[in-house]
Amino acid sequence: GQNIDQPTEMTATEGAIVQINCTYQTSGFNGLFWYQQHAGEAPTFLSYNVLDGLEEKGRFSSFLSRSKGYSYLLLKELQMKDSASYLCAGMDSNYQLIWGAGTKLIIKP
Amino acid sequence: ETGVTQTPRHLVMGMTNKKSLKCEQHLGHNAMYWYKQSAKKPLELMFVYNFKEQTENNSVPSRFSPECPNSSHLFLHLHTLQPEDSALYLCASSHKESSGGAPEQFFGPGTRLTVL
Repeated sequence: GQNIDQPTEMTATEGAIVQINCTYQTSGFNGLFWYQQHAGEAPTFLSYNVLDGLEEKGRFSSFLSRSKGYSYLLLKELQMKDSASYLCAGMDSNYQLIWGAGTKLIIKP
Repeated sequence: ETGVTQTPRHLVMGMTNKKSLKCEQHLGHNAMYWYKQSAKKPLELMFVYNFKEQTENNSVPSRFSPECPNSSHLFLHLHTLQPEDSALYLCASSHKESSGGAPEQFFGPGTRLTVL
C-alpha cells in the first residue's frame, strides 16, 4: 500500500533550527512535496524534490533520498510565524499526491 | 492569495439539505481537485478533473456529486449528508503532468462544512 509517515507534533525555540522528517512508500515515484498550512488556511507549496539531494530556498531546505524513501524539511532561524502544520506528500506513478497527516510545529519564544 | 477561490467559506447544513460548493481558479491550470480534510488525518483526494474530464473518483459516496463545466470552475454538489461528512473541503488546481508545467497544486482557502 501507499503510506506517508511524519511526526504528529514538534516543538522548537524561536531562532533555532528544526528538522521535520518524512518517510514514504508510493506506487512509483514522481517527486516529494512539502506544504505549509496555518490554522484555518489553505496549504501553501514550499518545496518539490524529485532527485536526491538538498534543495535550499531561503530559510527552508528540503532533502530527498529515493533509495531510503526519506525526506526532511529543515527550517532555520525559526520565527513565530513558522508555527503551522507541515504536510509531506509523495506523488505516485499516476501523478496523484499521497499525503501525510501533517506535523504541527509549535514555536516557543 | 493563491489564485484559487472557494465559496462559501463556511456552511452549516442539515442532513436533508442540498447545497453546492464552488471553486474557481485563475491560474490557467487544466487539472482541478476536491479534497476532504478532517482533523489530524491526511488529506483525502475525492475527485480529479483533467481538461474537464473526471479521471479519479476515490470511492466517494454518491451524496457528493462533482461538476466541472470548464477548466476554470469546479463544483461539489451535496445532498443528504451525514454528520461525519463535517470537514474542511479544499479545492486545488495544477498543470496536467503531461503539459510540462510545474507539478505543484495550488489550494483554495477551503469551505468549512458542518452537517447537523
